[in-house]
Amino acid sequence: SYEVTQPPSVSVSPGQTASITCSGDKLGDKYAYWYQQKPGQSPLVVIYQDTRRPSGIPERFSGSNSGNTATLTISGTQAMDEADYHCQAWDTSTVVFGGGTKLTVL
Amino acid sequence: QVQLQESGPGLVKPSETLSLTCAVSGYSISSGYYWVWIRQPPGKGMEWIASIYHSGSTYYNPSLKSRVTISMDTSKNQFSLKLTSVTAADTAVYYCAKLDSSSWSENSLFDSWGQGTLVTVSS
Repeated sequence: SYEVTQPPSVSVSPGQTASITCSGDKLGDKYAYWYQQKPGQSPLVVIYQDTRRPSGIPERFSGSNSGNTATLTISGTQAMDEADYHCQAWDTSTVVFGGGTKLTVL
Repeated sequence: QVQLQESGPGLVKPSETLSLTCAVSGYSISSGYYWVWIRQPPGKGMEWIASIYHSGSTYYNPSLKSRVTISMDTSKNQFSLKLTSVTAADTAVYYCAKLDSSSWSENSLFDSWGQGTLVTVSS
């Protein structure tokens, strides 16, 4: 079965750039999606179809996907961005999630 | 605005059947979109369980397919999940969610979620 892998945690200083990766075999041939989940809340999509940002999501969130790795980048990270981030992809008719990455802003 | 609300027992005994319902408001589920169940074990990543369309089309996670049934009651505007022979590994927060498309395809995302309900499997 298809799998995508994320680092368990990433730390970033306020105002700096955070990069969260998602790795999977030929992931670049698929679309990657990124969901933000704050404690006690439901997930919220921040990036879809690799690079697209839903309305209402700040411009500091961006995405890329090539080769075996998709990357979520947060520029000028703010304290409010501290959350778990989940990568998601499709494999034929199956939905696959990564293990999630806890982003700490310190 | 579509709203989803999960309901069901918070505690299920091992080997028994977990049953959850998702009540949808703000949209008639018989009008379209796929409706899904996703779970998240404590401290772990999310896992897609199953999806259903009002036509009866369903998709299941292959790793859970033998134990899962998803169904829909359009008269009550709700859909349900049954998971049989549960073990402690099935302890998780269970979310119901909506796909933003009536086509089950990689172009789609989950755009509305319930608040989630914690189900613990324990004797």
